[in-house]
Amino acid sequence: EPEVTQTPSHQVTQMGQEVILRCVPISNHLYFYWYRQILGQKVEFLVSFYNNEISEKSEIFDDQFSVERPDGSNFTLKIRSTKLEDSAMYFCASSMDGYQPQHFGDGTRLSIL
Amino acid sequence: KNEVEQSPQNLTAQEGEFITINCSYSVGISALHWLQQHPGGGIVSLFMLSSGKKKHGRLIATINIQEKHSSLHITASHPRDSAVYICAVFKRFGNQFYFGTGTSLTVIP
Repeated sequence: EPEVTQTPSHQVTQMGQEVILRCVPISNHLYFYWYRQILGQKVEFLVSFYNNEISEKSEIFDDQFSVERPDGSNFTLKIRSTKLEDSAMYFCASSMDGYQPQHFGDGTRLSIL
Repeated sequence: KNEVEQSPQNLTAQEGEFITINCSYSVGISALHWLQQHPGGGIVSLFMLSSGKKKHGRLIATINIQEKHSSLHITASHPRDSAVYICAVFKRFGNQFYFGTGTSLTVIP
């Protein structure tokens, strides 16, 4: 069964550095999402992406964050100048359309030192 | 303010028991999702529903749109069902999700 893949599984970065989290959604899916989960807390929506543009974003998704689909397969989340509070598990998901269940990747654990 | 409330927060059951997890929400929604998060962190979508009831194996999900309430039932629970179950709603007129804090289920053999 096709799946969403995320790399790396764990990223350790110094505070202030830029980090790029990568996701390969399922190939025929059109909607893409990023979520984060701070340790011990609930999952939070960051952004949804469709037709090469952001369709919705939460208050968390400020100017420090950006998303891109640089080619036909990758979907990336960039955090420009990381802060300690960015430490979390970041999940990518994709769906065929906005009315279909989402398929989640296994997540990238981001640790900011 | 939590747009999505789940209960209970923690649940321990004996193998074979019938389990119910509840979700209430306060916003207008276009769909509600039940997700399962395994101890390793991975998330699996169990159901997406906007009305009525859905069944998949031993899992049943129901939703009452008027009452803004959904339930997830597990029949004949098994230790492999041990996980965190998360309710998430897809807000109407916006591609944004609101997540509950999850219900941590432990099924004891």
